[in-house]
Amino acid sequence: QVQLQESGPRLVKPSETLSLTCAVSGGSVNNDPYYWSWIRQPPGKGLEYIGHIFYSGSTSYNPSLLSRVTISFNPSKNQFSLILTSVTAADTALYYCARTSVSGPVEYWGQGTLVTVSS
Amino acid sequence: SYVLTQPPSVSVAPGKTARISCGGNNIGSKGVHWYQQKPGQAPVLVIYYDSDRPSGIPERFSGSNSGNTATLTISRVEAGDEADYYCQVWDTNSDFGVFGTGTKVTVL
Repeated sequence: QVQLQESGPRLVKPSETLSLTCAVSGGSVNNDPYYWSWIRQPPGKGLEYIGHIFYSGSTSYNPSLLSRVTISFNPSKNQFSLILTSVTAADTALYYCARTSVSGPVEYWGQGTLVTVSS
Repeated sequence: SYVLTQPPSVSVAPGKTARISCGGNNIGSKGVHWYQQKPGQAPVLVIYYDSDRPSGIPERFSGSNSGNTATLTISRVEAGDEADYYCQVWDTNSDFGVFGTGTKVTVL
């Protein structure tokens, strides 16, 4: 059973950088042929796919966030990370890490972590 | 990018059938996945590739997809089915997931 756990600062100031890490157990970020994804959900709103990293290291991002987002992984710790720069209040959301089948459904989700952008 | 449209809300009496639509341009040519999200919880996959059910999901949940509309059907609705439901497809042009706008199902 794959388990994912997000971690990182819960409060980020406007214009600064949001940084989250996802610890994976029950799977390998650089050996298992899946997308390791980040998805967010603003309070009271719907789901938005941010992007993913494939086990090969290739990445793909939502075009609406492309200029501000980077996803990477750390195989030695079996983790993958999200960097989102120049944040605004609109980036306040519950951030989920997840495992997604290639071009398919999101099969496993973390519990989510709420990140608030505020001064 | 690709847009998926769902009705904001659907109300259904216990024991009846709920149908949730997901509209998108030629969505019938894509694989559609459905998620159930209860308050304070992460989404759970209930239907994948139009009509397949993950293990542990009741047979009361079924799906179909044709033309410009995909549909999630919940038969014999129970109080525990009250939740938000999201459809999802893959945008192959940009290689990322696209979620529908979400539908809140209320059991009367």
